[in-house]
Amino acid sequence: GAVVSQHPSRVICKSGTSVKIECRSLDFQATTMFWYRQFPKQSLMLMATSNEGSKATYEQGVEKDKFLINHASLTLSTLTVTSAHPEDSSFYICSATLGGSNSPLHFGNGTRLTVT
Amino acid sequence: QKEVEQNSGPLSVPEGAIASLNCTYSDRGSQSFFWYRQYSGKSPELIMFIYSNGDKEDGRFTAQLNKASQYVSLLIRDSQPSDSATYLCAVMSGQNFVFGPGTRLSVLP
Repeated sequence: GAVVSQHPSRVICKSGTSVKIECRSLDFQATTMFWYRQFPKQSLMLMATSNEGSKATYEQGVEKDKFLINHASLTLSTLTVTSAHPEDSSFYICSATLGGSNSPLHFGNGTRLTVT
Repeated sequence: QKEVEQNSGPLSVPEGAIASLNCTYSDRGSQSFFWYRQYSGKSPELIMFIYSNGDKEDGRFTAQLNKASQYVSLLIRDSQPSDSATYLCAVMSGQNFVFGPGTRLSVLP
């Protein structure tokens, strides 16, 4: 149980274009999903918390107009990187929890974004 | 600010030895503690979780929690080269998950 599916696994795009990443909870409903970014050899960095039916909560320093998050259903959250630049190249990972005080985070397989 | 600290490593152990990974946290009210393994280029995968003081064993893995000392550890017995990865300690603090920077483990054949 608690499978999180993320798509695509890899994407290469040109500078200035937008990229959408999907995150689905396959066998459970996730009212909250989390988006992380990880640069090579660095720690996971929480970008935003995605709440179903409401606006996402962004961490300090993360531009909400650049990283658009939509969580329109209990099983799907999307992250759109708008007007991508080479410095946005990173590993983006979504995660979700079953809920409850002791439930762990379950991660998707991640999306490797390369902006040329 | 709530923090989780780990030695970045690398921690090198010979194959068959016990690897000991340590983690400290700052929020005394934290209730749930998790260990994740992350291979290079992959996303983290959950290894173990622990909520109560003491030890919890699962196969070759043992998690140890000491809330008074705000310390949680992971022991890997009979370490294998396939255990070489970065191990992330995560603490649930309120509704938030706080991750440590990870310890890179290298198991030498």
